[in-house]
Amino acid sequence: AQSVTQLGSHVSVSEGALVLLRCNYSSSVPPYLFWYVQYPNQGLQLLLKYTSAATLVKGINGFEAEFKKSETSFHLTKPSAHMSDAAEYFCAASGYSTLTFGKGTMLLVSP
Amino acid sequence: DTGVSQDPRHKITKRGQNVTFRCDPISEHNRLYWYRQTLGQGPEFLTYFQNEAQLEKSRLLSDRFSAERPKGSFSTLEIQRTEQGDSAMYLCASSPGGRTSSSYEQYFGPGTRLTVT
Repeated sequence: AQSVTQLGSHVSVSEGALVLLRCNYSSSVPPYLFWYVQYPNQGLQLLLKYTSAATLVKGINGFEAEFKKSETSFHLTKPSAHMSDAAEYFCAASGYSTLTFGKGTMLLVSP
Repeated sequence: DTGVSQDPRHKITKRGQNVTFRCDPISEHNRLYWYRQTLGQGPEFLTYFQNEAQLEKSRLLSDRFSAERPKGSFSTLEIQRTEQGDSAMYLCASSPGGRTSSSYEQYFGPGTRLTVT
């Protein structure tokens, strides 16, 4: 069974600082991997996906993630945080028909 | 471009009552998924449909939970005899069919927040 681990339930950064949200997956076969963002009282919005093409994936709002098979990681980064990035971020791995989500990381951005 | 819609957005019910939630997927998507999200957790898969066929339902939380998608378009999720532990956000998602990588992209609705008192 797949599992997804997100290190750190909360990450705090200053506006303009680098954002790094960590995700590790556990799977016998590299799955498709996704990052979603959730704003309060809203559904999840797809940020980016890895589907075994390029290992460095670019998404919306300036986010990108790098798939590293040797580390079973898919960390999310953004060079410069903006106040509007404050939200909860979920990493997910796909099976044939389901997504397995991590517990989420709340990103806090201070001025 | 209309995304996934869910109705109602909020539902407050008393323990023991039945509730039904509706999900309308993106019109060209033939796969539809239901998830439950509790506070501080990621979404938890419940069930999914390919057109009108329910292909996975073993992850429904108990026999009080049931889902339908009678015409392969909208879907309903029903919870019978609600319990306080059912309080959560219920999320619906849809995705295209087929065997391309895009078929794995799930697009989520805003969710229905259920509170059982």
